[in-house]
Amino acid sequence: GAGVSQTPSNKVTEKGKYVELRCDPISGHTALYWYRQSLGQGPEFLIYFQGTGAADDSGLPNDRFFAVRPEGSVSTLKIQRTERGDSAVYLCASSLTLAGDTDTQYFGPGTRLTVL
Amino acid sequence: DAKTTQPPSMDCAEGRAANLPCNHSTISGNEYVYWYRQIHSQGPQYIIHGLKNNETNEMASLIITEDRKSSTLILPHATLRDTAVYYCIVTLSGGYQKVTFGTGTKLQVIP
Repeated sequence: GAGVSQTPSNKVTEKGKYVELRCDPISGHTALYWYRQSLGQGPEFLIYFQGTGAADDSGLPNDRFFAVRPEGSVSTLKIQRTERGDSAVYLCASSLTLAGDTDTQYFGPGTRLTVL
Repeated sequence: DAKTTQPPSMDCAEGRAANLPCNHSTISGNEYVYWYRQIHSQGPQYIIHGLKNNETNEMASLIITEDRKSSTLILPHATLRDTAVYYCIVTLSGGYQKVTFGTGTKLQVIP
């Protein structure tokens, strides 16, 4: 079975532009997470979806960042008016979320975003 | 802030056991210890997790102290492909895990 996939693998954009990053989770996984990872740092939590709804978006740095998951599967992370400081690897993870059980996250390869 | 403390880097000779320590002195009774690793330019990969008993799978063993304030990940026979950053995290069981990664331990396996 396929793992978590993310597209594009690399994205170069100019300051001020709008970008969309896509995540395809493992089929059947109800939970989906977005993280951001800067060079030399561990992944930083951005947002968590349970099904279609954003259950926790407390990690989104500001209102330029937004994410959707309209059908409870594919998710898109949207960044408006990009800034150079947004340059990072954006990671997506999904998990099965069985109630009362431990819940392993499976990560995609990430999208490397470079804002010039 | 991450709830765990790990050494920033370690070396291990190829074929030898790699023992990676982690301190989690504020862990609560219903929190699990999880280990992930991240090979260069890839997403993190799950390795193993445990609550209070020692655990073993095909990748590694996890030893958790009786007071649960620390743990050790053991790679029994390290290979060059085990060179990676290893993250120790604590998180609640089931459902949503708001995982906080620290900076991990950079393990370098030396030929």
